[in-house]
Amino acid sequence: QSALTQPASVSGSPGQSITISCTGTSSDVGIYNLVSWYQQHPGKAPKLMIYEGSRRPSGVSNRFSGSQSGNTASLTISGLQAEDEGDYYCCSYAGSSTWVFGGGTKLTVL
Amino acid sequence: QVQLVQSGAEVKKPGASVKVSCKASGYTFTSYQMHWVRQAPGQGLEWMGILNPSGGSTSYAQKFQGRVTMTRDTSTSTVYMELSGLRSEDTALYYCARDGGSGRSGDYWGQGTLVTVSS
Repeated sequence: QSALTQPASVSGSPGQSITISCTGTSSDVGIYNLVSWYQQHPGKAPKLMIYEGSRRPSGVSNRFSGSQSGNTASLTISGLQAEDEGDYYCCSYAGSSTWVFGGGTKLTVL
Repeated sequence: QVQLVQSGAEVKKPGASVKVSCKASGYTFTSYQMHWVRQAPGQGLEWMGILNPSGGSTSYAQKFQGRVTMTRDTSTSTVYMELSGLRSEDTALYYCARDGGSGRSGDYWGQGTLVTVSS
C-alpha cells in the first residue's frame, strides 16, 4: 500500500487554471474509478471536493473538476481564487476494503 | 445535520495505548462506514482503516495491522479507534471520516483528536 504520487507544490495567479496530478498503479487508481480529492486549509479538517474521479458534492464550486487517464488522476481548478490556497490530497480505493492517500500538494495562489 | 464529534486531546507515554472516540449524529449510524485517518504534524493524510458499524467488520492498513483496533457502540452511535504500542512517530491528529458511499470516502469529518506520545 504505497502512497499515491502528487507534486509537492503548484502555484498559479488569480484567474488562471492549475492541474494537480495523482499517480497510482494498476492496483488502485488504474483499476477503480474511485478517486476522491480533498482540500485542507491550515488547522482545518479536510473537505471533499471531488469523488468517483469527476463528481462534485453539492456546494462545491464548478471551478473544481476531476479526470482520470490510466493510472493517473487529475484535479483542475479554473479561475483560481485566493481562497483556493491550501493543501490538496487525492485518495483512491485500493481493493480489499482499503484506501490510500497521496502525499499532498501545496497550492499557492500568487 | 451530520456531525462527528471526537474525544479530546491525549498525552501518552511510549508503549501505552490510546482509545479515541467519534460520536456520530444526524444520520442513520449503521448505514455508513467510518474511516480513521491520521496526520502527523506538518505531514500528509494517512489512511488507517475502516469500520462497518452495521456488523462491526473492519479493514486495516497493513502498516497498522496488529496495533490498531476499531470498534463501535451502536447504542450511542459511537466508533472507537484504539492504537497500542505507541511510539513518538504516532504523535498526530487522528480523524474519523464518514464514508458516504459511491466513492465519497470522506464526506463528513470529525474535528480531529491530537494524540501526543512523549516520555
